[in-house]
Amino acid sequence: ETAVFQTPNYHVTQVGNEVSFNCKQTLGHDTMYWYKQDSKKLLKIMFSYNNKQLIVNETVPRRFSPQSSDKAHLNLRIKSVEPEDSAVYLCASSHWDNQDTQYFGPGTRLLVL
Amino acid sequence: QQQVRQSPQSLTVWEGETAILNCSYEDSTFDYFPWYHQFPGESPALLIAIRPVSNKKEDGRFTIFFNKREKKFSLHIADSQPGDSATYFCAASPVVGQLTFGRGTRLQVYA
Repeated sequence: ETAVFQTPNYHVTQVGNEVSFNCKQTLGHDTMYWYKQDSKKLLKIMFSYNNKQLIVNETVPRRFSPQSSDKAHLNLRIKSVEPEDSAVYLCASSHWDNQDTQYFGPGTRLLVL
Repeated sequence: QQQVRQSPQSLTVWEGETAILNCSYEDSTFDYFPWYHQFPGESPALLIAIRPVSNKKEDGRFTIFFNKREKKFSLHIADSQPGDSATYFCAASPVVGQLTFGRGTRLQVYA
């Protein structure tokens, strides 16, 4: 049963455009994450966010920014996409004191032409 | 710097064999060691996990072996089935903190 929802499923865009991905969880968790998974399946944490604190992975380019309206939603905005941004973006959630058990959404596949 | 190392990158076994996937870590504060699996076209999902108070955790055909002294842990999949074919990720986290994933092992089980 899906409890972490992501939209869109796919997005194709051109270099320089701005894109925004949405994520919502209905698990009552207080912590949400964005991961980037490349074509080799490498899974990299980009951000984690909870009610109190945004944790930014310092290797993430500044054109990426998370946006949260409440603890159940965490969106990801990319200001000016680059070809290397083509990947699957996975949203996940957990309880803050149980971050080791995360539930993933279905992902958003981004293709930058 | 990769904090969780995983090997092999890919593994092929025949149906009925035991598949062994290995991971090692560097950070002594890591306290939780889960394995996630990801089937083609799907997102990762938690499979099994262990804490250092134990050196073994079993769940059906899946067993984690943990060696705290050597900072290594492995996933053994007994009686492998074609339906086990997936990418397996080991991960580690401190008592309170985010997961660090390994690079994944792509397992293929042939009938």
